[in-house]
Amino acid sequence: KQEVTQIPAALSVPEGENLVLNCSFTDSAIYNLQWFRQDPGKGLTSLLLIQSSQREQTSGRLNASLDKSSGRSTLYIAASQPGDSATYLCAVRPTGNQFYFGTGTSLTVIP
Amino acid sequence: SQTIHQWPATLVQPVGSPLSLECTVEGTSNPNLYWYRQAAGRGLQLLFYSVGIGQISSEVPQNLSASRPQDRQFILSSKKLLLSDSGFYLCAWKVWGTNTEAFFGQGTRLTVV
Repeated sequence: KQEVTQIPAALSVPEGENLVLNCSFTDSAIYNLQWFRQDPGKGLTSLLLIQSSQREQTSGRLNASLDKSSGRSTLYIAASQPGDSATYLCAVRPTGNQFYFGTGTSLTVIP
Repeated sequence: SQTIHQWPATLVQPVGSPLSLECTVEGTSNPNLYWYRQAAGRGLQLLFYSVGIGQISSEVPQNLSASRPQDRQFILSSKKLLLSDSGFYLCAWKVWGTNTEAFFGQGTRLTVV
């Protein structure tokens, strides 16, 4: 079964810094990987979806990369803002209908 | 556009009582549907998924069951709740048979007392 790990578990940075969140997975046979944002007590908001054939995806200040062979993905956030404070989750879809989540990185951006 | 509705938003239930959480999706047909649970301090655990009406796959043995009586309706149930059933329950959907994004509802916070 696919195991997904996210490091660090928590991160605190001053406003304006660029930062990188990491996601690793144990089985490289995946269809895609998706990054989500979760605000406290809320559902998940989709940020970026990377197909297994892609190396990266960009949306605004967010850039996600995928290295399937090494089982890694990173989410890069440029010029962080207090509104970026949330928990960031990655989810991996193996060759099936399910998708599996990491435990998340809790990000705090300090004004 | 597609939307997903989940209710209720919060629920407090006594141990041993039944449970019914409902999730509906609008604006799409034959979606894949999912129920996840997020316990305090833990990640999201896949409970059930469905690729069609009446088709339910369970990921983990537990005190819960799921049903899909209509194409865009997914229900999570229990006959007798346990304290350990407390958590944040999330419903999700994605387009059937494609390699596209998954979208989540706003969740139900269940507290079993």
